[in-house]
Amino acid sequence: GENVEQHPSTLSVQEGDSAVIKCTYSDSASNYFPWYKQELGKGPQLIIDIRSNVGEKKDQRIAVTLNKTAKHFSLHITETQPEDSAVYFCATRTFQKLVFGTGTRLLVSP
Amino acid sequence: GAVVSQHPSRVICKSGTSVKIECRSLDFQATTMFWYRQFPKKSLMLMATSNEGSKATYEQGVEKDKFLINHASLTLSTLTVTSAHPEDSSFYICSARGGGMAYEQYFGPGTRLTVT
Repeated sequence: GENVEQHPSTLSVQEGDSAVIKCTYSDSASNYFPWYKQELGKGPQLIIDIRSNVGEKKDQRIAVTLNKTAKHFSLHITETQPEDSAVYFCATRTFQKLVFGTGTRLLVSP
Repeated sequence: GAVVSQHPSRVICKSGTSVKIECRSLDFQATTMFWYRQFPKKSLMLMATSNEGSKATYEQGVEKDKFLINHASLTLSTLTVTSAHPEDSSFYICSARGGGMAYEQYFGPGTRLTVT
């Protein structure tokens, strides 16, 4: 089955810096790659996604890049703010199931 | 994005009793709903997938007689934890996806279950 690896597990940055989280996957049939932000005690919130026919997508301060050949995709957050502090999960979809990465705890210090 | 609600947000029950958790898609019709379980500081673990009007498909290792799932309408799915035990204490999260070519999957706020 699909295996999704996510790095780093924790990431500490200063406010205003950029943050990058990377994921690799194993199943070449995966065709959808969402990113979720989860705050403590809450459910995951979809923040951006990309489909397999696109290499990059941007929405204000966040962007996702996809390299299907290498089977990896990344989340980029620019001009980080303290409210960006949360756990971020990447995921892939094969058929109708999402498979999640292990999560990255992002801490943005003022 | 679309909104998914869950009720209750927190529940405490005694060992041996059953607990029902409701999941609703508020502004879209959810052809497929998913139930996840999340342990502290861990990723989400898929328990089961349900399509409206059909029996749920459970992941390997998940007891279908213990975790009863009903997806009776396009906006409502329920998870009933039967004969709950302390080891069932966890954060349960539902998720919903629309039909057709819908890619996006939206999550509810989660339900914290504590079994005493």
